[in-house]
Amino acid sequence: RKEVEQDPGPFNVPEGATVAFNCTYSNSASQSFFWYRQDCRKEPKLLMSVYSSGNEDGRFTAQLNRASQYISLLIRDSKLSDSATYLCVVSEGFQKLVFGTGTRLLVSP
Amino acid sequence: EAQVTQNPRYLITVTGKKLTVTCSQNMNHEYMSWYRQDPGLGLRQIYYSMNVEVTDKGDVPEGYKVSRKEKRNFPLILESPSPNQTSLYFCASAPDLAAKNIQYFGAGTRLSVL
Repeated sequence: RKEVEQDPGPFNVPEGATVAFNCTYSNSASQSFFWYRQDCRKEPKLLMSVYSSGNEDGRFTAQLNRASQYISLLIRDSKLSDSATYLCVVSEGFQKLVFGTGTRLLVSP
Repeated sequence: EAQVTQNPRYLITVTGKKLTVTCSQNMNHEYMSWYRQDPGLGLRQIYYSMNVEVTDKGDVPEGYKVSRKEKRNFPLILESPSPNQTSLYFCASAPDLAAKNIQYFGAGTRLSVL
């Protein structure tokens, strides 16, 4: 079983739609969780951290479910510029970050 | 402008010809790391460095070397490249190990080994 698993997609949604991605992780001792965004052929960039209480940043909401070992990312009112690959990242211990393979989102007009 | 700079951005080489990919950051970060990204496998860590002269292996270190003689530079060395090292490589930095989750990535180096 992969340490971090994501549905590769693509998720095809129209502008204005709400879309959600999930990511599951296998190590119950994982400590920190993040979503990174990666545009085609570009470098990953931190989108947001995921806190136990959940957190929101504008149209983006991230949630953590430790009992079921998954994190989620909800995007409301999708924009064309949201089209990208979203990487789930899990921190295992003090030194190791584990990246998921990403979920691709395509927002169409 | 705060940034991580990798060079070259694109490289085509032949098996066995030693090469170096440079990485430099101007943010005075202590933590630096190299990753490779392959389809279906995601980003995998090759080596990381917690500070000058302190380096350690990541998940896929075989066939690679690194050095950290100065804080700002963290070159990746392939002594004898092989076709299975064809990949997209990213250098990243973070303020320190405790803040490693917030990594700033370079633009990437696309390497093809023939």
